[in-house]
This record gives sequence, C-alpha cells and structure tokens, in this order.
Amino acid sequence: DAGVTQSPTHLIKTRGQQVTLRCSPISGHKSVSWYQQVLGQGPQFIFQYYEKEERGRGNFPDRFSARQFPNYSSELNVNALLLGDSALYLCASSFGQRTLIEQFFGPGTRLTVL
Amino acid sequence: AQSVTQPDIHITVSEGASLELRCNYSYGATPYLFWYVQSPGQGLQLLLKYFSGDTLVQGIKGFEAEFKRSQSSFNLRKPSVHWSDAAEYFCAALNTGFQKLVFGTGTRLLVSP
Repeated sequence: DAGVTQSPTHLIKTRGQQVTLRCSPISGHKSVSWYQQVLGQGPQFIFQYYEKEERGRGNFPDRFSARQFPNYSSELNVNALLLGDSALYLCASSFGQRTLIEQFFGPGTRLTVL
Repeated sequence: AQSVTQPDIHITVSEGASLELRCNYSYGATPYLFWYVQSPGQGLQLLLKYFSGDTLVQGIKGFEAEFKRSQSSFNLRKPSVHWSDAAEYFCAALNTGFQKLVFGTGTRLLVSP
C-alpha cells in the first residue's frame, strides 16, 4: 500500500509569492494534518482537516490556509511568503478525527524562500 | 502551557553501546506520549507510544521507553546501538482531547564506529 505522498519534494520561492503544497493520505484515511518543521526544531502543528472541515488550528497567521477535497487529499496554501516560512512541511494522515495517536507522516516538502 | 522538552541537542554513542534519550513533558494531566525517528530526507516514523498501563513500552527496531509520572519523563532507550540508528529523534505529546500533537525540539543521535 502507498504511504502518505506529498508534492512537490522541493520548492524555491521568493518573498511575497504564494505557494501551494499537496498531500495525498493513505487510502481509507479521512484526516489530514499539516506541520511546519523549521531547521533545528521539532514539527509545529498547523492544521487538522477531517471530512473536509477544519478541526484544529495551530498558532499560525492567516497567511496559512488549507483545504481538504472529497477524495481526502489536501492542499496547504501560504500567501505573502516570508523568509521565515522556509521549512520542511509535513503532512500526516490518520483514519479518524480523534486518531492523532495513529498518524502516518509523509516525506515532506522542503520550501525555501529567498 | 503544554510543552515537551528534550534537553540533549546532540548525543554521540559508540556502536554497540547503550542509549538513553531524555524527554520531559509539562501537561496538566498525563498526555499520550510518543517517540518518532526522522532520518535525513524522510518523514517521521513512529517508534512507540504510551497511553496507560505498563510503564515500560516496547517499540520497533529494539527501542523501549519508560514512563515515570513522578518525573514527568518518558525516556527512550536501546541496549545496543547500530550505525543505522543515527537519526533525529523526537518526543511528542498529545493532550487527552486529541487536539494537538506537540513535539520536542529533537535529539540528533550520532553513532561512532
């Protein structure tokens, strides 16, 4: 079975641009969570989506938004990019909303903002 | 505030030697506790988790962790380290409302020959 997939693998943007990152969960999983991992830090929770609705949000500005599609895949959008947005963005999927205890992580998208 | 602390940024262990990585948490009630490993270019892989019951938890790849309520700790151990264990290790905690998974800052394990 395929695991969590994310695209693209790497991305380079300049300040002020907008970026969209994509995540496909494990088949049958209905919940997707997004995390930001800045170099040298642990992952920070950004969003959780379940059944196409936002179910949790971390301490991130409104420049960050996400959505989940009927096939449970998800996109993370970041507007007006700042240098500090450079990070590894991880997507994790789980079966249900309350099953963050059984999350499976993708390999991440490395975003570099110049 | 809920937090997870990993006091060691880097640890170097000789191959074949034992390993202990430290993790402390600060939560009102005992959270669910996890250890993840991240190899370069890889996502996070769950090593083990603790919810309740036996305070010594067995995980994959020969790892185990011990929960100590009195010390608010959940330290990861392995009796004999292999070169392939070199990676970054993250301790994480999930509150009982299942709302937010909080990670520590990680410990990078280096394995010397």
